[in-house]
This record gives sequence, C-alpha cells and structure tokens, in this order.
Amino acid sequence: AQKVTQAQTEISVVEKEDVTLDCVYETRDTTYYLFWYKQPPSGELVFLIRRNSFDEQNEISGRYSWNFQKSTSSFNFTITASQVVDSAVYFCALSEDNAGNMLTFGGGTRLMVKP
Amino acid sequence: DTAVSQTPKYLVTQMGNDKSIKCEQNLGHDTMYWYKQDSKKFLKIMFSYNNKELIINETVPNRFSPKSPDKAHLNLHINSLELGDSAVYFCASSPRSAATNEKLFFGSGTQLSVL
Repeated sequence: AQKVTQAQTEISVVEKEDVTLDCVYETRDTTYYLFWYKQPPSGELVFLIRRNSFDEQNEISGRYSWNFQKSTSSFNFTITASQVVDSAVYFCALSEDNAGNMLTFGGGTRLMVKP
Repeated sequence: DTAVSQTPKYLVTQMGNDKSIKCEQNLGHDTMYWYKQDSKKFLKIMFSYNNKELIINETVPNRFSPKSPDKAHLNLHINSLELGDSAVYFCASSPRSAATNEKLFFGSGTQLSVL
C-alpha cells in the first residue's frame, strides 16, 4: 500500500531564510505521481507541482524548487528566501498509476515564516 | 470567478441531524471528488465521481452519500451526524476521468462542527 510521510510537523524560520520540507513516500508501483499542495491560513488547497516517477529532473519555479530522488524515495521541497506569505501547511501527496486521481496525502508540514 | 465553490463554508449542527454540503465547479471538468481533512490535518479521499462511475473509499461510512444532479455539481449528504464527523470537507475536480493522475482543483473547504 502507498504511504506518504512528512516527518516535520512544524517548521519556523525567519524571513529570507531558506527552508526545505521533507517528503518520503512508499509505493510498490513503478509508475506513480507526486504532488505538493499548499494550504494557506484561509484553508483552500493550492496546487504547486506534479511529477511522474520517470522524470527525476529537479524543478525550479521562482523561489520554489523540488528535489526528486527515487533512490531514497524522497520528493523534497525547498523555498529560497522565504517570505511571510509562504506561511502555510504544505502537503505532499502520491498517486499510484492504477489509482487515478486518488491521492494519498502526507500529514502536512506547517511552515511559519516570521518577519 | 471561483472555479470550485462549496457552500456553506461553516456548518454547525447537532448530533443525529442530516446535513448536506454543496459543491459546484465551473471548469467543465468530468470528475469530482470529496476529501475529508480531520483535526490533525490528515486528508483522505472519500469519493470520486463522474457520470459513469462512483468510486467509494471503503472506509467511508454509508451515512455519507454523494449526489450529482449534473456534471457540474457533486453534493455530499450526511445522515445521522456523529461527533467524529467534525472535520473540514474539501470538494475537488479534475478535467477527465479519475484514472489520469491529473492536477486537482480544490474548493475552499467546509468546516463541519457536530455538537
């Protein structure tokens, strides 16, 4: 069965610091998809990224970057030069190939960025 | 325009009551979902539905039932509410079927409190 672990329950940083959110997953499938979602204090879930298991290239989008390593079953998320608006709960999620859009979510990491 | 909208945003009710949460998407998507987020922020899939198929997470009590009057709506009916039903419920949609591992678009959530 699939499982997603976000070991960091809460992280607190000061603005402009870099911060990495860890995500470790378990799956028996060779084809799967990994996601990150952001949940700001307002509560809605915002999509950040989707990667498939065959694409291990790291991705950068502005201050956000993702490091996907199949060897360690990890899909970590780094925010560079954090800002107060980055404060939110971040969810990592996994979707196995035969599970369609059924996502298995990690427990979430609450990030607090202080001015 | 809100892509996926849920009403009400907050719902407070007594144990034993029957209640509904409405969800509408104006994205023209084929598939809609309900997720439950408990007090510890864990997110779990409850249902996925398109006009051809309803997929139910087997852990969902049969007091919960999705109702879809048309492709743009998927309402969640809950009978005989229990204290443990208190949670945030998220509606979501995706462009095609539930078998395509696509990005989901989430509503802003409905916070249900059962007293």
